[in-house]
Amino acid sequence: ELKVEQNPLFLSMQEGKNYTIYCNYSTTSDRLYWYRQDPGKSLESLFVLLSNGAVKQEGRLMASLDTKARLSTLHITAAVHDLSATYFCAVDDLAITSGTYKYIFGTGTRLKVLA
Amino acid sequence: DAGITQSPRHKVTETGTPVTLRCHQTENHRYMYWYRQDPGHGLRLIHYSYGVKDTDKGEVSDGYSVSRSKTEDFLLTLESATSSQTSVYFCAISESGFRQTYEQYFGPGTRLTVT
Repeated sequence: ELKVEQNPLFLSMQEGKNYTIYCNYSTTSDRLYWYRQDPGKSLESLFVLLSNGAVKQEGRLMASLDTKARLSTLHITAAVHDLSATYFCAVDDLAITSGTYKYIFGTGTRLKVLA
Repeated sequence: DAGITQSPRHKVTETGTPVTLRCHQTENHRYMYWYRQDPGHGLRLIHYSYGVKDTDKGEVSDGYSVSRSKTEDFLLTLESATSSQTSVYFCAISESGFRQTYEQYFGPGTRLTVT
C-alpha cells in the first residue's frame, strides 16, 4: 500500500526564519506535487516535480525531489506571515487493473508564521 | 482559474437520506476525482473517473457511488448518509497522457453535515 508521510504535521515559526517540510513516500513514482490550502479554502497547486533532482522555486518557497530516497522537501526561506497555510504533498499511483492514475496525499503540514 | 464548480456548497441532511453532490468542469479534462477532507487525515480519495462511464474506487469508497455520463459532470452519491460522512468534499480534475500525470485543479468544496 502506497504511503505518503509528511513531517512535521504542525510548524510554528517566527518571521524571517528558515525551515524545511519533508515528504516521504513509499512508491517508485518519479512525480510529486505540492499544494497549498488556506483555512476554509480549496487547494491550489504550488509545484510540479517530474523527475529525480527536480528543483522548483517560487518566491520564498523551494521544492526539490530525490526519487532514489523517495523524499521531497519544501524549503521556506525568511518566512513571512502570508505563508501561513497548510501544505500538502501528493504522489501519483498507477492502478494496475485499469492502467490509470490516482493520487495519494500526505496528511499535510500546517504552517503558522508568527510576526 | 480552472473552471470547476461544485454544488451544493453547503448541505445539512439527516441520517439515512440519500445525497448527491455534483462536480462540473469546463476544461474538458479526462480525469475527475472526489476526495473527502477530515482533520488529521488530509485528503482521501473516494472515487475517480478516467472517462465517460469509466470509474474506479479510491481508499474510502464504502458507502459512496459515482457516475459520469458526460465529460463535464461527475456525481457523488451517498446512498444512505451516516454521521461518519460529515466532511468537506472536494472535486478535482486533471489532464492525462501516456505514462504521464499532471497537477490537479480543485473545486471550491462542499461542506456536508449529516445529523
